[in-house]
Amino acid sequence: GENVEQHPSTLSVQEGDSAVIKCTYSDSASNYFPWYKQELGKGPQLIIDIRSNVGEKKDQRIAVTLNKTAKHFSLHITETQPEDSAVYFCAASIHNAGNMLTFGGGTRLMVKP
Amino acid sequence: EPEVTQTPSHQVTQMGQEVILRCVPISNHLYFYWYRQILGQKVEFLVSFYNNEISEKSEIFDDQFSVERPDGSNFTLKIRSTKLEDSAMYFCASSPGGATNEKLFFGSGTQLSVL
Repeated sequence: GENVEQHPSTLSVQEGDSAVIKCTYSDSASNYFPWYKQELGKGPQLIIDIRSNVGEKKDQRIAVTLNKTAKHFSLHITETQPEDSAVYFCAASIHNAGNMLTFGGGTRLMVKP
Repeated sequence: EPEVTQTPSHQVTQMGQEVILRCVPISNHLYFYWYRQILGQKVEFLVSFYNNEISEKSEIFDDQFSVERPDGSNFTLKIRSTKLEDSAMYFCASSPGGATNEKLFFGSGTQLSVL
């Protein structure tokens, strides 16, 4: 089955700096890659996603890149703010195959003011 | 903004007891899911549910687990005879169906502690 690895497990940046979180996946059939943000006491919230027919997607300060050949994808947050502090999860699935998301282990991002 | 709600937020039970975790998915969503996260481990898929039947389930979802949509608004996960290793955060999720069906919306979770 699919295996998703996520790095780093913790990331500390200064407010205003950029943050990059990287994930690799094992199943070349995976074609949908969402990123979730989990704040304390809340469930994972979808922040951005990308399908395998696209190499990059951007939404304001966040962007995701996908390299299908290397089977890795990354989350980029620019101009980080203290409210970006949270745990971020990457995931992979095969679209239209039951939405069985395989999650990475999570990255705790701390943005220091 | 519509959201998935889960009750209770915390549940403590004795080993061997039955527990029911409750979820109210987003009202116009068609697909429903349970995931869990054991402390220190990854979030894991348990089961997906559509049109009043299970559409996919993982190896974790054995005969001790069952799901039900009893009344058109609630979606429940029952664990018949809890074990210590069932202690985890259980997340319910729903998705709308159609072209954006891969977008899952998660609830805040129920922390289950089996003593």
